[in-house]
Amino acid sequence: EVQLVESGGGLVQPGGSLRLSCAASGFTFSNSWMTWVRQAPGKGPEWVANIKTDGSENYYVASVKGRFTISRDNAKNTLYLQMSSLRDDDTAVYYCAKGGDVPAPWGQGTLVTVSS
Amino acid sequence: DIQVTQSPSTLSASVGDTVIIICRASESVRSWLAWYQQKPGKAPNLLIYKASSLASGVPSRFSGSGSGTEFTLTISGLQPDDFATYYCQQYNSYSTFTFGPGTKVEIK
Repeated sequence: EVQLVESGGGLVQPGGSLRLSCAASGFTFSNSWMTWVRQAPGKGPEWVANIKTDGSENYYVASVKGRFTISRDNAKNTLYLQMSSLRDDDTAVYYCAKGGDVPAPWGQGTLVTVSS
Repeated sequence: DIQVTQSPSTLSASVGDTVIIICRASESVRSWLAWYQQKPGKAPNLLIYKASSLASGVPSRFSGSGSGTEFTLTISGLQPDDFATYYCQQYNSYSTFTFGPGTKVEIK
């Protein structure tokens, strides 16, 4: 069974940084594109970024380009999202998901709150 | 960027009804469209991909159709477990994998 467990969320001030992690199990992580999706309170999901199996390609939504970096460690079966220059509108539950274009399944999510 | 809209935003229905949700893209996404179901406090769950392909384990009462810019999700014989919010997502091109705003299916 695929399991994805996100961690690293919390309260951070505007302009601050945070690194999210996603521990994967139950499938061959190194063979799978991976994706981060976020969902602001009361809103629909927003695709954030994805990364190829070996980390050689990655793509970002325009609003996070230059501020967020997606990466992976295939030896540790772990996906990361380094977030910097955080803004109020980055407040959301952040989910990691298996797959690059149709993310599924998703983890349970980790809440990131950007507030002073 | 490709924009995605859904209608209606809220739908009231009874158990046993057939419901149809519409998703429209601002430009053609060919058949690169998925549908997800989300229940409160849970992550979205994939129902349909490539416009009409049923995801593994999804009941056959769910079906998808369409191509280009207009798509539908049909639930035939609504069950109590189906009251939830539904999202479409286009994945026609990288960096614009946009989700729709959602359709909440409520009990009438």
